[in-house]
Amino acid sequence: DAKTTQPTSMDCAEGRAANLPCNHSTISGNEYVYWYRQIHSQGPQYIIHGLKNNETNEMASLIITEDRKSSTLILPHATLRDTAVYYCIVRVASTASSNDYKLSFGAGTTVTVRA
Amino acid sequence: EAGVAQSPRYKIIEKRQSVAFWCNPISGHATLYWYQQILGQGPKLLIQFQNNGVVDDSQLPKDRFSAERLKGVDSTLKIQPAKLEDSAVYLCASSSRPRGAETQYFGPGTRLLVL
Repeated sequence: DAKTTQPTSMDCAEGRAANLPCNHSTISGNEYVYWYRQIHSQGPQYIIHGLKNNETNEMASLIITEDRKSSTLILPHATLRDTAVYYCIVRVASTASSNDYKLSFGAGTTVTVRA
Repeated sequence: EAGVAQSPRYKIIEKRQSVAFWCNPISGHATLYWYQQILGQGPKLLIQFQNNGVVDDSQLPKDRFSAERLKGVDSTLKIQPAKLEDSAVYLCASSSRPRGAETQYFGPGTRLLVL
């Protein structure tokens, strides 16, 4: 029941910015967009999340369109260690009547950073 | 801060055998999740605990899978009897804020192969 659409794969040159798109056209007004990544043989790692405004941290920037139907994760200076599967996720309620939340992962985008 | 611990890291069993996985979340994290990740797919949530209570187990195959979180800290996930299609990585994650409304931190996972 993933609510996002991402490209299957993309390549990026080392040292250049990597722009990862994500479509979430059915997102509701109070649902957050989360990005995680999973390096080979490791558990997923949190990158960033946002609701309406653009966000930036030490790892990446998140640009959310004004209508919130899509977003872009930006890795400003990609390195070989950024090679991973990147997941764009809409956080949803765990059950219809709960105040608990869960992440529903899709297949993600496999990003390969090349030297 | 120590991360989420999981054991064993690898397990090979024959079909119809039973297996158990253990997870120790980050200290103080009230919300705990178990995910199943089949090769080439994103993680799929199996069960979510808030302290020692189950919040969501709608995706847990209850005829063969069971999970518990005694005393609201460690958790075990059991499969009995295992099937070939249970071959996957089993990931445990925990969240600091109540109700899962915060970043999830993942363990390294247990890689299960059912022969």
